[in-house]
Amino acid sequence: QVQLVESGGGVVQPGRSLRLSCAASEFSFSSYAMHWVRQAPGKGLDWMAFISYDGSKKYYSDSVKGRFTISRDNSKNTLYLHMNSLRTEDTAVYYCAREALVAMAAPLDYWGQGTLVTVSS
Amino acid sequence: SYELTQPPSVSVSPGQTASITCSGDRLGDKFASWYQQKPGQSPVLVIYEDNKRPSGIPERFSGSSSGNTATLTISGTQAMDESDYYCQTWASSTSVVFGGGTKLTVL
Repeated sequence: QVQLVESGGGVVQPGRSLRLSCAASEFSFSSYAMHWVRQAPGKGLDWMAFISYDGSKKYYSDSVKGRFTISRDNSKNTLYLHMNSLRTEDTAVYYCAREALVAMAAPLDYWGQGTLVTVSS
Repeated sequence: SYELTQPPSVSVSPGQTASITCSGDRLGDKFASWYQQKPGQSPVLVIYEDNKRPSGIPERFSGSSSGNTATLTISGTQAMDESDYYCQTWASSTSVVFGGGTKLTVL
């Protein structure tokens, strides 16, 4: 069974940095594009970032472009999200998600359990 | 920026049909996916490419799309279907967008 396990969340002060990890198992990680999606408390899903299977393509939402960086290490089956200049509005549960191998408008077919990031002084 | 609009809430009686809409500019020209999220849990994909069901998703879940609207239909709604539902599409080749979510109440 596909497994995605996020880690690295916690309480951080505004303006500081944090790195999230997503450990993947039970599938060929290096063959799949991956995404980060967040959900603020009591709010909806908010797409953050995409990375292609080989790391050559990266896309970001306007709200995090220039502050967050998505990366991956296929030798470690791990996805990362480096978050800089954190703001109180970045407080959310952060999910990593696998993009399905379909030709068009690929959905996110597996999600991790999420890791909570709280930005507060 | 591209937006997807969903009704905040939908109510349905057990055994009846629930329909949840998702509106976006020329959404019918794109593909829509739908996710179910129960309280405290991660989202689960229930429909992709407008009307396809992943393995393990009950047949009572179906989808359709035309014009500016995609629709998730749950036939014979059960109490276990009470959840938040989110639509999603690719706004462009480099951007993903989710709808605001719809809380389905089965009463």
